[in-house]
Amino acid sequence: SQTIHQWPATLVQPVGSPLSLECTVEGTSNPNLYWYRQAAGRGLQLLFYSVGIGQISSEVPQNLSASRPQDRQFILSSKKLLLSDSGFYLCAWTYPQGYEQYFGPGTRLTVT
Amino acid sequence: DAKTTQPPSMDCAEGRAANLPCNHSTISGNEYVYWYRQIHSQGPQYIIHGLKNNETNEMASLIITEDRKSSTLILPHATLRDTAVYYCIVRVTPNNDMRFGAGTRLTVKP
Repeated sequence: SQTIHQWPATLVQPVGSPLSLECTVEGTSNPNLYWYRQAAGRGLQLLFYSVGIGQISSEVPQNLSASRPQDRQFILSSKKLLLSDSGFYLCAWTYPQGYEQYFGPGTRLTVT
Repeated sequence: DAKTTQPPSMDCAEGRAANLPCNHSTISGNEYVYWYRQIHSQGPQYIIHGLKNNETNEMASLIITEDRKSSTLILPHATLRDTAVYYCIVRVTPNNDMRFGAGTRLTVKP
């Protein structure tokens, strides 16, 4: 069966520090991968999506970046965090021709 | 731009049917209607999707109007565990993006 992992589950980082959030998918190959952010009490905002290794599409200009170094690995990064980067970060995957989107457990980031 | 409109909140009595509406008046002919829900502090969970016909699975039923400009998600016998934010989304499948709006916060009350 397929599973999606995200870590860490929670993170507290000071303003100006770097960020690296990792997402991995098991049990499938060539998935489409997504990063979302959810601010407190708000809906999900699509940040990045990827249809293959090294292929990243950015939806929102910001100080975040994403990389896909391996087929089932998706990394969200920042060189210098801002207070506004606080939120709940969710990774998700779909089959390339699939209907359902499967979400990971999320990382709750607090920038202080 | 979520392309859908949902009421911000609804209440439902436990054991009764919960009917969650969604307007998608600009939906294109090749766009599907999806429903997800998000229980507090968890990732969203897929519920159901449809194109033109009504759909039913073990979780819910989806009723799509004939003109496809609106739909209703029906939870036939709501339980306390169904308390969540429910998102209605339209998208072309296969596609690369899934854009979530604010959703409807459903509270099931005993």
